[in-house]
Amino acid sequence: KAGVTQTPRYLIKTRGQQVTLSCSPISGHRSVSWYQQTPGQGLQFLFEYFSETQRNKGNFPGRFSGRQFSNSRSEMNVSTLELGDSALYLCASSQDVVEQYFGPGTRLTVT
Amino acid sequence: DAKTTQPPSMDCAEGRAANLPCNHSTISGNEYVYWYRQIHSQGPQYIIHGLKNNETNEMASLIITEDRKSSTLILPHATLRDTAVYYCIVRVAQRSDYGQNFVFGPGTRLSVLP
Repeated sequence: KAGVTQTPRYLIKTRGQQVTLSCSPISGHRSVSWYQQTPGQGLQFLFEYFSETQRNKGNFPGRFSGRQFSNSRSEMNVSTLELGDSALYLCASSQDVVEQYFGPGTRLTVT
Repeated sequence: DAKTTQPPSMDCAEGRAANLPCNHSTISGNEYVYWYRQIHSQGPQYIIHGLKNNETNEMASLIITEDRKSSTLILPHATLRDTAVYYCIVRVAQRSDYGQNFVFGPGTRLSVLP
């Protein structure tokens, strides 16, 4: 069974731009969560989607948004990028919210 | 905030058992203990989880104290590839658990030395 895939793997953007990251969960998994990882703050929860509905949201500004499609694929969007948004963005999928399986991440660099 | 405390770093000799402790003194009765690890710049990898009984799988063993206030992850024969940051997490794990997420602390950086 294929694992969680994330695209793109690396991305460089400039301040003020927006970015969209994509996540394809493991087949059959309906829950998708997003995390941000930075050296200073560690792994922080962004939001979680289940059957196209956002069920939980972390403490991030409204510039961070996401959505989930009917095939469980998910996207997250960051608008008006700031230097501090440079991070590894991780997606995790789950079948029944017992275990989460993480993808390799997208490394975003904002210049 | 994370509900667990772990030592920031540990060393272990290759081939020896690595015992990683975790304190979770405020754990609730319906909260499980999970362990994940993250090898440099990769996504976290699930290792094991348990409620109150000791658990073992092909990767590791999880020993939970009787009062459930602490646990130990045991890697029986550590290899260089086990060098990673290990996260201990407590969370509810039920099918009716809507909207929960994993709260990661700083974890323990395990260095397996040759």
